[in-house]
Amino acid sequence: AQTVTQSQPEMSVQEAETVTLSCTYDTSENNYYLFWYKQPPSRQMILVIRQEAYKQQNATENRFSVNFQKAAKSFSLKISDSQLGDTAMYFCAFLQGAQKLVFGQGTRLTINP
Amino acid sequence: GAVVSQHPSWVICKSGTSVKIECRSLDFQATTMFWYRQFPKQSLMLMATSNEGSKATYEQGVEKDKFLINHASLTLSTLTVTSAHPEDSSFYICSARVIAGVFPSSYNEQFFGPGTRLTVL
Repeated sequence: AQTVTQSQPEMSVQEAETVTLSCTYDTSENNYYLFWYKQPPSRQMILVIRQEAYKQQNATENRFSVNFQKAAKSFSLKISDSQLGDTAMYFCAFLQGAQKLVFGQGTRLTINP
Repeated sequence: GAVVSQHPSWVICKSGTSVKIECRSLDFQATTMFWYRQFPKQSLMLMATSNEGSKATYEQGVEKDKFLINHASLTLSTLTVTSAHPEDSSFYICSARVIAGVFPSSYNEQFFGPGTRLTVL
């Protein structure tokens, strides 16, 4: 079974700094998708970024980018120029085929003014 | 993006009563919806997969007779917590699945509802 591990329960940085959230996963599959979701205090799950395993190029979405290391089964999220609105829980998630999403434990990120 | 709604957003009920939570896909059809449960400061835990026109598939450890799921149409799935008890108090989130991408790299993407906070007194 696939597992997703986020080893940083909490992180805190100053506004405008860059922060990297870690995620590792375990799978024997070759084709799959990885996601980062944001859950702000409103608790609405918001998709931040998606990475397709067959693509070597790291996905980017404005200030958000990933470092996808397939061999190491690592999928970290970098947030550049962090903003107060980035304060949220961040979940890494794995998806293979038509199966269910598998979530990591989450990282609580606080951006301080 | 696709919009998923949940109703009610919060509910308080007495122990022993049943509560129904609705999950609707507003601008798309979803043959599959998912129900999650989230305790404070924890991750989402998948409870069951709801398939339109068929029985739901429950995750191990989830009581199907307690958490009744009905997916009667392509835009509506309901979760009924029967004979609720204080330990059922939690945040319940649904999501609706759509098929995205282009074959052979198509995948299913989930759009999440805003959640329902259930408090059982």
